[in-house]
Amino acid sequence: NAGVTQTPKFQVLKTGQSMTLQCAQDMNHNSMYWYRQDPGMGLRLIYYSASEGTTDKGEVPNGYNVSRLNKREFSLRLESAAPSQTSVYFCASSEWGFGGYTFGSGTRLTVV
Amino acid sequence: QKEVEQDPGPLSVPEGAIVSLNCTYSNSAFQYFMWYRQYSRKGPELLMYTYSSGNKEDGRFTAQVDKSSKYISLFIRDSQPSDSATYLCAMSDGAGGTSYGKLTFGQGTILTVHP
Repeated sequence: NAGVTQTPKFQVLKTGQSMTLQCAQDMNHNSMYWYRQDPGMGLRLIYYSASEGTTDKGEVPNGYNVSRLNKREFSLRLESAAPSQTSVYFCASSEWGFGGYTFGSGTRLTVV
Repeated sequence: QKEVEQDPGPLSVPEGAIVSLNCTYSNSAFQYFMWYRQYSRKGPELLMYTYSSGNKEDGRFTAQVDKSSKYISLFIRDSQPSDSATYLCAMSDGAGGTSYGKLTFGQGTILTVHP
């Protein structure tokens, strides 16, 4: 099925470890986004990429880096994981300028 | 104060009830308004999309936007147990410029429809 694919679905990290969350979309969308979802906090934007070759910080970028590898792929990297980064991470994509997102199924990350 | 405020609930209603979900916002530049539905352990999915003020109806769902009051609503008629989910409102100040369609989300309202 067409859509947004995130890998891995689950991950447990030790404090200080690094990892990369992968996201790929096959809808030829220009814009891609990384959100985190925490209880009572809703969805908060970490980073976004308006188009291939550009990335910008969102509301909560500290501790994260991103790479827009090509039009399809947008990865999120945690260089030194902290317990505060325990969360569910969602990748999304959209047509440029159209606010309707298609979300992936999420990555549940636990940092111990 | 958050840009978008949404009562987190939880909200529990009997099957067949009319459900009203609401969000308020403070940014007068918002002009695109959406409702997403999120089932447990799934990603959000777009349910309703409205531009500017007015109503939009899709089956049992009606979205209303009142820009003068900075208030949006989602009504669910004849609610079903399958409507049990978290409902998130989301808003954007539009295409182009520096926003590039970025959405600001409410906290989400947890809805349970019991048989």
